[in-house]
Amino acid sequence: EPEVTQTPSHQVTQMGQEVILRCVPISNHLYFYWYRQILGQKVEFLVSFYNNEISEKSEIFDDQFSVERPDGSNFTLKIRSTKLEDSAMYFCASTSRGQEEKLFFGSGTQLSVL
Amino acid sequence: AQRVTQPEKLLSVFKGAPVELKCNYSYSGSPELFWYVQYSRQRLQLLLRHISRESIKGFTADLNKGETSFHLKKPFAQEEDSAMYYCALSSGGFKTIFGAGTRLFVKA
Repeated sequence: EPEVTQTPSHQVTQMGQEVILRCVPISNHLYFYWYRQILGQKVEFLVSFYNNEISEKSEIFDDQFSVERPDGSNFTLKIRSTKLEDSAMYFCASTSRGQEEKLFFGSGTQLSVL
Repeated sequence: AQRVTQPEKLLSVFKGAPVELKCNYSYSGSPELFWYVQYSRQRLQLLLRHISRESIKGFTADLNKGETSFHLKKPFAQEEDSAMYYCALSSGGFKTIFGAGTRLFVKA
């Protein structure tokens, strides 16, 4: 079965630094998502992306966050100036036909902000 | 507001015992409900969805609109069922929201 790929698997950064988390969704999928999970807490929706624009975003996804599909295969999440509370596991997901289809998740990037 | 509640953080049962993982939701429209599972060191993956009305790995879940519940059940638990289980709700927009998860531990 095709998989969503995320890199890196672990990222350590200093507070205030910019980070870019990378994802390669499944090739024929059209809808892309970022979720995060702070240790011990629930999986939280951040943003969905379709047709080269944000479809929906949560209140977590403030102006420190941005997403981009720069080249037709990668899907990135950028955090401009990281805070301690951004430390979490970040999951990318994709679907072929939107939310009525199951989400295919990547294995996640563990972000640690020191 | 949309909400998914999984009241149990941890559920521990013996092998062969029945399992029920509870999920309640809050949503004014017609939701689409899912159970996702995360086995140790594996990615989050779909277990089943209510619209399919299927049984996967012996698990079933019935949507009860009156009680706004979507409990996950299995008559006889197996050790390999030990995992983290997440109930999730999609409202037909562009997001799915997840419950806090229940860790199922099946003892030999």
